[in-house]
Amino acid sequence: NAGVMQNPRHLVRRRGQEARLRCSPMKGHSHVYWYRQLPEEGLKFMVYLQKENIIDESGMPKERFSAEFPKEGPSILRIQQVVRGDSAAYFCASSQGQGINQPQHFGDGTRLSIL
Amino acid sequence: DAKTTQPPSMDCAEGRAANLPCNHSTISGNEYVYWYRQIHSQGPQYIIHGLKNNETNEMASLIITEDRKSSTLILPHATLRDTAVYYCIVRVVSSGGSNYKLTFGKGTLLTVNP
Repeated sequence: NAGVMQNPRHLVRRRGQEARLRCSPMKGHSHVYWYRQLPEEGLKFMVYLQKENIIDESGMPKERFSAEFPKEGPSILRIQQVVRGDSAAYFCASSQGQGINQPQHFGDGTRLSIL
Repeated sequence: DAKTTQPPSMDCAEGRAANLPCNHSTISGNEYVYWYRQIHSQGPQYIIHGLKNNETNEMASLIITEDRKSSTLILPHATLRDTAVYYCIVRVVSSGGSNYKLTFGKGTLLTVNP
């Protein structure tokens, strides 16, 4: 998984706090995707961003969750007022483009634990 | 996107070839077959993809049947580090629509034994 950097690897928050997860895509990649993996489940798509634009956020809960990918800096997934059900592994992936021969490459994720 | 079916688990002896099957009987002509794997505590790792021809890279080979209803991922000489959950995913080619959404099922847990 060299290339896509996520931090922190582990994040512990108390209920009601905010969680900020960061993702730096592979060099040369301008497309970023966030996925969530609940315990014992497969990854589920949350949001797709290109530089400064949200392309598709259909998989992201409408309340408390937001994502951005600014012109400079990493992509950020923000969860406000966290609840126990937000405990999961959050993975970021990046690609050069949307084309079929441009696979998504994943980071090693951020494991969020809510106390 | 077409649904895929994989066995929940498989075992393989170290040094032997690991052959992981995937059924995608409802695949459409514009859908590719992608394989990823997820080693414990890591993110998914891209392995290989193909449309209808067999493909090979430094990690694995992908054999797709002529009718495209099933495929097999082959790891030619499995090592202990290949122990992981392997996901077979079909992905539509079209430039429009949401072809970027990867749908991960439960995959196959491959255990490579010494």
